Amino acid sequence: AQTVTQSQPEMSVQEAETVTLSCTYDTSESDYYLFWYKQPPSRQMILVIRQEAYKQQNATENRFSVNFQKAAKSFSLKISDSQLGDAAMYFCAYRNRDDKIIFGKGTRLHILP
Amino acid sequence: EAQVTQNPRYLITVTGKKLTVTCSQNMNHEYMSWYRQDPGLGLRQIYYSMNVEVTDKGDVPEGYKVSRKEKRNFPLILESPSPNQTSLYFCASSLLGGPPETQYFGPGTRLLVL
Repeated sequence: AQTVTQSQPEMSVQEAETVTLSCTYDTSESDYYLFWYKQPPSRQMILVIRQEAYKQQNATENRFSVNFQKAAKSFSLKISDSQLGDAAMYFCAYRNRDDKIIFGKGTRLHILP
Repeated sequence: EAQVTQNPRYLITVTGKKLTVTCSQNMNHEYMSWYRQDPGLGLRQIYYSMNVEVTDKGDVPEGYKVSRKEKRNFPLILESPSPNQTSLYFCASSLLGGPPETQYFGPGTRLLVL
């Protein structure tokens, strides 16, 4: 069975600094997708970034980028130039070709002014 | 505007009283899914559906039912709610096939079962 692990329940970063959230997963499949979602206090789930496993190039969306290490089954999220609006719960998620989706338990990110 | 709507947004009920949480999407998505979110546990998938009349169990289906009679609607039914079903529930939808489309999440339904 696939699993997704986020080992950092909470993290803090100074505004304008860079922070990395870790995510590891376990699967025997070779074709899958990985996502990072952001959940602000409003509770809405917002897609931050996604990565297809067959792509070697790391995905990037503005200040958000990932470090995808397929062999190590690692999918960390880097947030550059952290802003107060980045404060939220962040979820790592795995989706296989059968569209089964598994979420990690989340990392709560605090931004310190 | 593309969106997933859920109703009600907040609900307080008592043990054993049947309830339904509705979910509707206006994007013609084939795939729809229900999650529950509990502190320290993240989001766990309850049921999902790949198309009309096709539903499958997720990781925590016990105590829940779903139906998919129309493509746009995917209601979550609690036949006999219990306090351990107190949670925040999310409905989501996306396209199927090829590179996965973004999952669109509804705003969430906070349920309290007394």
